[in-house]
Amino acid sequence: AQTVTQSQPEMSVQEAETVTLSCTYDTSENNYYLFWYKQPPSRQMILVIRQEAYKQQNATENRFSVNFQKAAKSFSLKISDSQLGDTAMYFCAFMRASGAGSYQLTFGKGTKLSVIP
Amino acid sequence: DAGVIQSPRHEVTEMGQEVTLRCKPISGHNSLFWYRQTMMRGLELLIYFNNNVPIDDSGMPEDRFSAKMPNASFSTLKIQPSEPRDSAVYFCASSLGRSTEAFFGQGTRLTVV
Repeated sequence: AQTVTQSQPEMSVQEAETVTLSCTYDTSENNYYLFWYKQPPSRQMILVIRQEAYKQQNATENRFSVNFQKAAKSFSLKISDSQLGDTAMYFCAFMRASGAGSYQLTFGKGTKLSVIP
Repeated sequence: DAGVIQSPRHEVTEMGQEVTLRCKPISGHNSLFWYRQTMMRGLELLIYFNNNVPIDDSGMPEDRFSAKMPNASFSTLKIQPSEPRDSAVYFCASSLGRSTEAFFGQGTRLTVV
C-alpha cells in the first residue's frame, strides 16, 4: 500500500513571496504519478500540477513547480509570486501507473496555505 | 463540458434515514471514484469503478454503504441507515483511462443529525 505524508498542517506566506510545500511518499512501485491538488474554500478540488515518475525533469505550470526527488521519495510544490487566490488547502496525491487492480488516488492529509496581503 | 456533476450539494438528514448521493461523470470518462473527506481522516477512497464495474470497494466502511453505476453516465452512493458519524463531504471524481487526471465534482456535504 502507498502512503503520502504532508508534514506541514499549516503554512503562511506574504503576497508576492515564494513558498514551498513538502510531501513525501512511500511505495514499492516503480511506475507512478504524483499530483498536487488545490482545494479553496469553495470546496472544489482542482489539479495544480502532475509529475510522471519516469520523467527526470520537474513539472512546471506557470507559477507552480515541483521538486521531484525519486530516490528520496519526495515531491515538494513551490509557489512563486504568491497571490491571494492561492489561499487554499493543498493535497499531495499518488497514483500507481501500471499493473492490475485499482488506480485510486492516495492523498496526504493536506497543508492549509494562507497568503497574507 | 459541465464537468462532474454531483447532487445534492448539501443534505441534512436524521439518523436512521436513507441517503442517496448522485454523480454524473464527464462524458467519455470510463473511471469513476467516490471519496469521503473528513477532518479526522482526510480524503479516503470509498469505491472505484472502471467501465461501470466496481474494481475496488475495500474503502466502503460497512454494509450500510452501497454504490452502483448502472451506466456510464450515472452513479449513486447510498447510505442506509445513516448515522451521525457518516457526516462528511462526499466527492465523486472521474477520469479517462488509467493514470490520467481525475476531475472532481463539487462534493455533497452530508450532515446526519
